Amino acid sequence: DIQMTQSPSSLSASIGDRVTITCRASQSITTYLNWLQQKPGEAPKLLIYAASTLQSGVPSRFSASGSGTDFTLTISSLQPEDFATYYCQQSHTSPRTFGQGTKVEIK
Amino acid sequence: QVQLVQSGAEVKKPGAAVRVSCKTYGFTFTDHFIHWVRQVPGQGLEWMGWIKPTRGAPNYSKKFQDRFTMTTDTSISTAYMELTSLRSDDTALYYCARDGLGRDNFDYWGQGTPVTVSS
Repeated sequence: DIQMTQSPSSLSASIGDRVTITCRASQSITTYLNWLQQKPGEAPKLLIYAASTLQSGVPSRFSASGSGTDFTLTISSLQPEDFATYYCQQSHTSPRTFGQGTKVEIK
Repeated sequence: QVQLVQSGAEVKKPGAAVRVSCKTYGFTFTDHFIHWVRQVPGQGLEWMGWIKPTRGAPNYSKKFQDRFTMTTDTSISTAYMELTSLRSDDTALYYCARDGLGRDNFDYWGQGTPVTVSS
């Protein structure tokens, strides 16, 4: 199975901060990488697919890049509604696998 | 409007089976894969498998394939999952999610069905 490792596991940030989360795959997944956001008590929500394509309706402060094994998600200016847990997920190979999550908390 | 609406919470005893439904609205059910993902309380997301209505065999995660079955009823645009031989560590929130057409992603999710396994 492809292992997905995110860092950091959690971070504290202030409103307006630039936040970057990284995700590393245990083998190349080309650009079969998605990013999801999950708020407490809610289902996950797709933010980014195919490594860098913004899902419809997602604010442009979210961006992502990467290919192969190394990927990043960036929030350019953190907003109150962005405090959540973020997951990367590979769709290159079955079983689909997720990173362990990065919890973004208020500083 | 795309929606995936799951059945309600379940409480089961160890060794029993549980069946969860995922009724879909607002898109052509037979065009999309439906995935099942679970989340143990306080933990991350775990993929269980996918099924595409009218397409051959479902694809199961090896972890679950011995006791996990996915089916669909195209007449009512509904997907089902059944997990048998339940254990306490199957206590989790179970989600269905739609795969975006040709995009290999989970673009719409059900609200989740809590399953509690307890004697």
